[in-house]
Amino acid sequence: DTEVTQTPKHLVMGMTNKKSLKCEQHMGHRAMYWYKQKAKKPPELMFVYSYEKLSINESVPSRFSPECPNSSLLNLHLHALQPEDSALYLCASSQGPAKSYEQYFGPGTRLTVT
Amino acid sequence: AQKVTQAQTEISVVEKEDVTLDCVYETRDTTYYLFWYKQPPSGELVFLIRRNSFDEQNEISGRYSWNFQKSTSSFNFTITASQVVDSAVYFCALKGGKLIFGQGTELSVKP
Repeated sequence: DTEVTQTPKHLVMGMTNKKSLKCEQHMGHRAMYWYKQKAKKPPELMFVYSYEKLSINESVPSRFSPECPNSSLLNLHLHALQPEDSALYLCASSQGPAKSYEQYFGPGTRLTVT
Repeated sequence: AQKVTQAQTEISVVEKEDVTLDCVYETRDTTYYLFWYKQPPSGELVFLIRRNSFDEQNEISGRYSWNFQKSTSSFNFTITASQVVDSAVYFCALKGGKLIFGQGTELSVKP
């Protein structure tokens, strides 16, 4: 089973709202990732968690706050977003952080900021 | 610096045609990994293949085949006898440190 699940599938939020995106995997993977993808563009890495610790933050604005409560779950907390933050947010996981491991992606959350 | 170039932005073919998606990469690493992903309109990126820099054997999986040539830094992907369900955006990616994606090629297969 190579499934990564994400909720919600769609989210519309105002610029003053606080919301969270959730990601879950049950493959025993020890690395998890958040990506942002704008239309007609490739995914851009935002955060990497390795063994439940934040290992990479790609200079993401503080209005995005990741959290890894346990090895299966990854959250992305959103606060005071801007309309330009509207995008597809993809979660991924891999067996470990090493470059040899392929990443498995979830279906994404389509976020619209109004 | 690491870079992946997919020069073909969009390709349109008629069903049953063969189609090749090009991928050229740049890296100074001696050990690296190359990947292809498929992204259908639903949005999920589907892993297709991984190749390491020490293995230049071509790979075939059903109608899909991959040609890896270190001499030209290319990792091309061929779909034989294309089908409408192959319509998607295809990304080539390189992993030295983080995963670097090409810009993607949008493939449209018409019936």
